[in-house]
Amino acid sequence: GAVVSQHPSWVICKSGTSVKIECRSLDFQATTMFWYRQFPKQSLMLMATSNEGSKATYEQGVEKDKFLINHASLTLSTLTVTSAHPEDSSFYICSVLAAPSYNEQFFGPGTRLTVL
Amino acid sequence: AQRVTQPEKLLSVFKGAPVELKCNYSYSGSPELFWYVQYSRQRLQLLLRHISRESIKGFTADLNKGETSFHLKKPFAQEEDSAMYYCALPRGGSQGNLIFGKGTKLSVKP
Repeated sequence: GAVVSQHPSWVICKSGTSVKIECRSLDFQATTMFWYRQFPKQSLMLMATSNEGSKATYEQGVEKDKFLINHASLTLSTLTVTSAHPEDSSFYICSVLAAPSYNEQFFGPGTRLTVL
Repeated sequence: AQRVTQPEKLLSVFKGAPVELKCNYSYSGSPELFWYVQYSRQRLQLLLRHISRESIKGFTADLNKGETSFHLKKPFAQEEDSAMYYCALPRGGSQGNLIFGKGTKLSVKP
């Protein structure tokens, strides 16, 4: 299966700053990646679908201007949390859609964001 | 609306006991369903999908359209099965991003 990495694995920042999280597909060219958010002891909630070379598709209730997604290459998608606030503290997970016809996703290890 | 329901937050069994993690879905057509597993400090990974009809690590799951269920079963639980288990349904039934259930934490005691 596809190997997916995320960087950083954890980050602590001050309120009002912006944080960028990278998601890399190490051995697979991914036209589609997904970004999820997971609160403690809760399930994964899809935030957006990232398509290479085009604008991301955001889920209802997710602020596009706050969570900027860039999928500039087939191996890299970035999520930037702008003007972060404590309520943005969460676990952010990306996944790669491998073999779309087979609809299998491979997940990154996640990034723990803590906003002070 | 499409929905995945996992009614149990926590399931605790003893080693060697049978396990059944429940999953019910809401979808009008013929969906493709998945079970994902997340072991402690590891990433989410696919456990099995119903179209494969395979057994992974002794787990099986059968799609019951009449009951709209896709319960995960294993006849004899092992300690290493302790993990979070998520049932998932692709939006649109077979393609696209996944809708996850809230997950069930399985704890297998020695």
